[in-house]
Amino acid sequence: AQSVTQLDSQVPVFEEAPVELRCNYSSSVSVYLFWYVQYPNQGLQLLLKYLSGSTLVKGINGFEAEFNKSQTSFHLRKPSVHISDTAEYFCAVSDVESSGDKLTFGTGTRLAVRP
Amino acid sequence: DAMVIQNPRYQVTQFGKPVTLSCSQTLNHNVMYWYQQKSSQAPKLLFHYYDKDFNNEADTPDNFQSRRPNTSFCFLDIRSPGLGDAAMYLCATSRGGGGQPQHFGDGTRLSIL
Repeated sequence: AQSVTQLDSQVPVFEEAPVELRCNYSSSVSVYLFWYVQYPNQGLQLLLKYLSGSTLVKGINGFEAEFNKSQTSFHLRKPSVHISDTAEYFCAVSDVESSGDKLTFGTGTRLAVRP
Repeated sequence: DAMVIQNPRYQVTQFGKPVTLSCSQTLNHNVMYWYQQKSSQAPKLLFHYYDKDFNNEADTPDNFQSRRPNTSFCFLDIRSPGLGDAAMYLCATSRGGGGQPQHFGDGTRLSIL
């Protein structure tokens, strides 16, 4: 079984400032890692994913994340945020050994970008 | 564009009156999922289909059922909605096989009167 912890339920930040959203996971098996974004009254949209290889992955909208196996973390970063980045962000993992793609989600982090 | 479409976007029903939510996909994905999402919470998986194989989560109430008549369509039936079932219901698809991202529809917001 896996679990995902997003320590920050809300992150307020000023426009054009950098931001980091933290994600830690726990699993007895290897996992794939994902970040999703959810805008109000919409479904979830994939930002980026880590399957294997380079630990730094780049996604859409200028976001990137770094996989750290020793710290079991997958923190999301953006060097300069925009008002339009205001949304809920979910970190998720899936089991490498499973043939399916079931996700275990964190509780989400609400990013609030202020002018 | 290939996508996941949920209808309707907003659904109002009466307490105890059966309701069906629908989801269709043009991605030709093998796996379809139904999630329940309440305000300020993560999506909670109710069940999923891998092709025709139905997989129910252990804590999904019996009140919730699903049908997948073909690859493209999947339905969520709530037999006797209670006030606690008011939520956003999200449909998602994936290719299956491991490591594949899920693609989500925009959801149906269900209100119970």
